[in-house]
Amino acid sequence: VQLLESGGGLVQPGGSLRLSCVASGIRVIDYAMSWVRQAPGRGLEWVSAISSSSTKTHYVDSVKGRFTISRDDSRNTLHLQMNSLRAEDTALYYCVKSAANALLWFGDFWGQGILVTVSS
Amino acid sequence: EIVLTQSPGTLSLSPGERATLSCRASLSVSSNFLAWYQHKPGQAPRLLIYGASTRATGIPDRFSGSGSGTDYTLTISRLEPEDFAVYYCQQYGNSPSSTFGGGTKVEIK
Repeated sequence: VQLLESGGGLVQPGGSLRLSCVASGIRVIDYAMSWVRQAPGRGLEWVSAISSSSTKTHYVDSVKGRFTISRDDSRNTLHLQMNSLRAEDTALYYCVKSAANALLWFGDFWGQGILVTVSS
Repeated sequence: EIVLTQSPGTLSLSPGERATLSCRASLSVSSNFLAWYQHKPGQAPRLLIYGASTRATGIPDRFSGSGSGTDYTLTISRLEPEDFAVYYCQQYGNSPSSTFGGGTKVEIK
């Protein structure tokens, strides 16, 4: 199983970025998938999750209304659309495969992470 | 929301020694839905333990998890050089959110 994130970079406050995570070795349609982030010098923070059927999504309060998680099953890819970005969104973002089809679950495979920096 | 507090923040030990890491929850973790991860710089976090005490696939038996309710422990029976890393606990399956502890760094003494 490999999860490869892309789409990170430097963006100004108020700007937008779209993260992508291409999976190999699994079908993302079969599992719930999540994004977890780690701000510089901080611990891990679960950000968002989507069910295998894409009918259920979940977000941490700090990103509700700004971030949208989605999946493209034909491309075996997970996305995170991030709008109205703030300095406190600066972090390494990890794509995570849930061990089961449950939103708030533990992850058994993680990507290497992609850096998002929000700064003027 | 369940807050997880890990202690100590840093553990300085020598290879071959035993490491005992603590994770305390602000509320009881239902069904012992508690996981542990190992995280090394520049690498993806690695799942070690889930369900408080079940080792993930391929994890050596020197890693063990225990606990229930609000108090959980990760024990590394004999530290190998590759075990020096940051360890995180995570509670899952409990609304409104999944949360992680702040981490314990196990460093070489």
